Amino acid sequence: AQSVAQPEDQVNVAEGNPLTVKCTYSVSGNPYLFWYVQYPNRGLQFLLKYITGDNLVKGSYGFEAEFNKSQTSFHLKKPSALVSDSALYFCAVRPTSGTYKYIFGTGTRLKVLA
Amino acid sequence: DGGITQSPKYLFRKEGQNVTLSCEQNLNHDAMYWYRQDPGQGLRLIYYSQIVNDFQKGDIAEGYSVSREKKESFPLTVTSAQKNPTAFYLCASSTGSYNEQFFGPGTRLTVL
Repeated sequence: AQSVAQPEDQVNVAEGNPLTVKCTYSVSGNPYLFWYVQYPNRGLQFLLKYITGDNLVKGSYGFEAEFNKSQTSFHLKKPSALVSDSALYFCAVRPTSGTYKYIFGTGTRLKVLA
Repeated sequence: DGGITQSPKYLFRKEGQNVTLSCEQNLNHDAMYWYRQDPGQGLRLIYYSQIVNDFQKGDIAEGYSVSREKKESFPLTVTSAQKNPTAFYLCASSTGSYNEQFFGPGTRLTVL
């Protein structure tokens, strides 16, 4: 079955330190990969995507993600965390074949401590 | 402004009632989606539609129904057959292909 895993329910990091939010996937073929952020009682906001090309993708608010095909991972990173980055982060995958369905991970809550 | 809107923001339902959640987009997107979000479970797909007058069941379609009579609109009805409907409901749209989804602000449904 196709799936996305976010192994950490919560990640705590001190302000100014680098952060990583992990995502691994299991889909057939070459997937399209996405990261979204959700603030309390709001919809999801798109951060970045990987379609093809350079494995390091840069997105909104200083976030970037690294695609690793051999490890089937797409970890979200930021060199220096801000308190305002505290939110719920979702990784999503859309297989390249078949329908327009997106598969979401269960989310990782990021807490940046001042 | 282009975007996707959902209404109402909060909705209360009594046992045995059907309720309809509205989702409208003016992005000219072909595909639209409904998700249910429960704490610790991420987003679960209820229904999706790739084109007008066509829609497919997602992973948790039982107790829900949808229609797609216009490109801009994709309302979701939560029927009395849905035994545990209290949740946060999110609507999304996309152009399809490899593009990202755009999400509405959500509707929080509570059963009284």
